[in-house]
Amino acid sequence: AQSVSQHNHHVILSEAASLELGCNYSYGGTVNLFWYVQYPGQHLQLLLKYFSGDPLVKGIKGFEAEFIKSKFSFNLRKPSVQWSDTAEYFCAVKEGGSYIPTFGRGTSLIVHP
Amino acid sequence: DADVTQTPRNRITKTGKRIMLECSQTKGHDRMYWYRQDPGLGLRLIYYSFDVKDINKGEISDGYSVSRQAQAKFSLSLESAIPNQTALYFCATSDPRRDTEAFFGQGTRLTVV
Repeated sequence: AQSVSQHNHHVILSEAASLELGCNYSYGGTVNLFWYVQYPGQHLQLLLKYFSGDPLVKGIKGFEAEFIKSKFSFNLRKPSVQWSDTAEYFCAVKEGGSYIPTFGRGTSLIVHP
Repeated sequence: DADVTQTPRNRITKTGKRIMLECSQTKGHDRMYWYRQDPGLGLRLIYYSFDVKDINKGEISDGYSVSRQAQAKFSLSLESAIPNQTALYFCATSDPRRDTEAFFGQGTRLTVV
């Protein structure tokens, strides 16, 4: 079965620091990759997605992610975080023919002002 | 109005009681999902439905049942609630294309005492 690993469970940064959150998946076939953000008390919202083409994907709020097929990875990055980026971040993968989203365990990001 | 609406938003119930969580959507999507979110465990799939006549178990379906009353409505039931079903429950929808994201409801926080 498909699995999605997010290695950083809790990240604490100061404002203006750079961010990289790791995401690895296990499926070897065609995948579609997503990063979602969940602000405190809110539902999940899409940050960015990859399905084909340029492996460097730009999303909302200055986030980007790079798909590296050989490493089965889709890491999320932001050059300079803000206090308002405090949230939980989920990587998700849709595989093969069913395209049912499978989510990682999430990474809790706290940004200190 | 939200595209995906969950009711109730919060519920406290007693062990052994039957409870139903409801989800309705205005996205016009065929696919609907119920996920459970627990701290440190991310989102885990309970049930999913690809159309009105299609119901499928997810990875943690034991103790739950669902009903797809219409394209727009997908209900989750706990036949006999137990304390370890205390969690945040999310309904989500998507269309069949592989490159599209899921849209989430605001969540139902369920506490079983």
